[in-house]
Amino acid sequence: EAGVVQSPRYKIIEKKQPVAFWCNPISGHNTLYWYLQNLGQGPELLIRYENEEAVDDSQLPKDRFSAERLKGVDSTLKIQPAELGDSAVYLCASSLDRVHGGRRNEQFFGPGTRLTVL
Amino acid sequence: AQTVTQSQPEMSVQEAETVTLSCTYDTSESDYYLFWYKQPPSRQMILVIRQEAYKQQNATENRFSVNFQKAAKSFSLKISDSQLGDAAMYFCAYTLIQGAQKLVFGQGTRLTINP
Repeated sequence: EAGVVQSPRYKIIEKKQPVAFWCNPISGHNTLYWYLQNLGQGPELLIRYENEEAVDDSQLPKDRFSAERLKGVDSTLKIQPAELGDSAVYLCASSLDRVHGGRRNEQFFGPGTRLTVL
Repeated sequence: AQTVTQSQPEMSVQEAETVTLSCTYDTSESDYYLFWYKQPPSRQMILVIRQEAYKQQNATENRFSVNFQKAAKSFSLKISDSQLGDAAMYFCAYTLIQGAQKLVFGQGTRLTINP
């Protein structure tokens, strides 16, 4: 099966510019996650969707970050305006919960988008 | 709040030797999963091995095995017969069993394999 797809792989922007990242989860996976991974650190959750509903966005900086998952399939994460400190890797993951036949909370990750803010 | 700690920022091992990566975690829950993920330079997170907290038997996947000590909240990864392709960042992670919960990751250990 096709894995989690993310684009772009790399993005370089000037500070104060907007940027958007796109994620297409594994077909049929109802849960989608966006993680932020700073250099040399483990990923941290930004937002989790179950179908089209954001069920955990407590770590999303809502003054500049927004996300959507229309129709409960692919998702877009946006930053406006970007700051120097936003330079990081943005990972998307998906999973199928056990109610729908998923195995043991396994999350499948995409290759990430490396953002550099100059 | 749940936390995961990896106290070894870097480890190195000779090819074909055995190496153990350490991980401790803190939680008040009794039902959870623990994972080890591998992240090569391509940035793709790859699941290496998982452990259900309710299982006393340590998980094993080919050359990878864990030493799960629930009372001590310790979850180490042993890699036997290390290969050059094992070089990567390794992350220990925790999640609750109930529902599709977030993964809580440690800081990672960079593993180098010396030929």
